[in-house]
Amino acid sequence: SYELTQPPSVSVSPGQTASITCSGDKLGDRYACWYQQKPGQSPILLIYQDTKRPSEIPERFSGSSSGKTATLTISGTQAMDEADYYCQAWDTSTVLFGGGTKLTVL
Amino acid sequence: QVQLVESGGGLVKPGGSLTLSCAASGFSFSDYYMGWFRQAPGKGLEWISYISSRSTIIYYADSVKGRITISRDNAYNSLYLQMHSLRAEDTAVYYCARLSDGYGRFDPWGQGTLVTVSS
Repeated sequence: SYELTQPPSVSVSPGQTASITCSGDKLGDRYACWYQQKPGQSPILLIYQDTKRPSEIPERFSGSSSGKTATLTISGTQAMDEADYYCQAWDTSTVLFGGGTKLTVL
Repeated sequence: QVQLVESGGGLVKPGGSLTLSCAASGFSFSDYYMGWFRQAPGKGLEWISYISSRSTIIYYADSVKGRITISRDNAYNSLYLQMHSLRAEDTAVYYCARLSDGYGRFDPWGQGTLVTVSS
């Protein structure tokens, strides 16, 4: 098994770009997904297959992957983007989550 | 629209049992793998189990193996999670989610149901 590591917190000013990383030994061989979770709400899928975005997700959310690190990028961050973000990947037949990153927009 | 609704949470004493349900609508339930997840208060997301569309493939996380049983009834578009020998550390919001494709994405998620294990 391997672990997914995210920074506990990231801060960004409104209108700027926020980047949240997710690192793991097997990420180069696995696709990553990203979820957004606001307080008291269930998770929402933002990105899948490293870079794909569901049609209902705003274009300012994008994903990328290089080596053993997947990255979620939020361009033109808005106050409404303040939330917890989780990466997720698979290890053979089990599901892994990163510890989550709290994004603060200030 | 695609919807998942969990139910069955509540207060249970340590050592007790509880069965959670997840009612699916808006899609062909019998075509999809389904999963259960949980989130302890103030903590991150944790996967606990998933089941294939025909119940032939089941996996559990090590943290709950032997104490939980996942099942489904495709005739009733429902997913279940039987939990036994509950401990205080099982206190969490429990979510069900659909495994949407072969690339491993879970979407959508239900609204969750709170399980509190306390004497």
